[in-house]
Amino acid sequence: EAQVTQNPRYLITVTGKKLTVTCSQNMNHEYMSWYRQDPGLGLRQIYYSMNVEVTDKGDVPEGYKVSRKEKRNFPLILESPSPNQTSLYFCASSPNGGGYNSPLHFGNGTRLTVT
Amino acid sequence: GEDVEQSLFLSVREGDSSVINCTYTDSSSTYLYWYKQEPGAGLQLLTYIFSNMDMKQDQRLTVLLNKKDKHLSLRIADTQTGDSAIYFCPSGGGADGLTFGKGTHLIIQP
Repeated sequence: EAQVTQNPRYLITVTGKKLTVTCSQNMNHEYMSWYRQDPGLGLRQIYYSMNVEVTDKGDVPEGYKVSRKEKRNFPLILESPSPNQTSLYFCASSPNGGGYNSPLHFGNGTRLTVT
Repeated sequence: GEDVEQSLFLSVREGDSSVINCTYTDSSSTYLYWYKQEPGAGLQLLTYIFSNMDMKQDQRLTVLLNKKDKHLSLRIADTQTGDSAIYFCPSGGGADGLTFGKGTHLIIQP
């Protein structure tokens, strides 16, 4: 089944403890992206990647890192999480571009709580 | 201003039609999309319209596009409880991806 898989679905951690949220897609998509969703703010893009080894900042990149060593994987890394990073995170992918001529496919989300 | 503007809430009675409106600024994408997010779930593509069309019908869904005014609407006929969700109409598309607004919460009254 074609899908975007995020892990874990739920994560509770403490301030400053490094964590990684994994994202994998099995559709051979070139484009991948991370969003966070907060009440009253909608979805905001954190980072995106047009292809392997190519990553760029979105609207809210501070406090996050990403890597794209392989086409299928796009992990989101929080080196030193803080409570303001408590949010619902979504990974998305598309064949090429970011929704220009094909839609984004979303994972089921990762709910992160930083205490 | 916002890249995408939608009403935050829409309340309709079960069986009535729902119309969700969206005004966007960036019209560079080949397609315009409607996404649905059910409680506790991710975003799923609901329907889309080619940017050169002005209407698309897909079962209970009708999408209207006024490209001149940059206005997109989604009509859901015979609204059901399963339609209760947040609906997004992202704009943009390309290297920096789609821009999502806050979405419209569709509330179904029995």
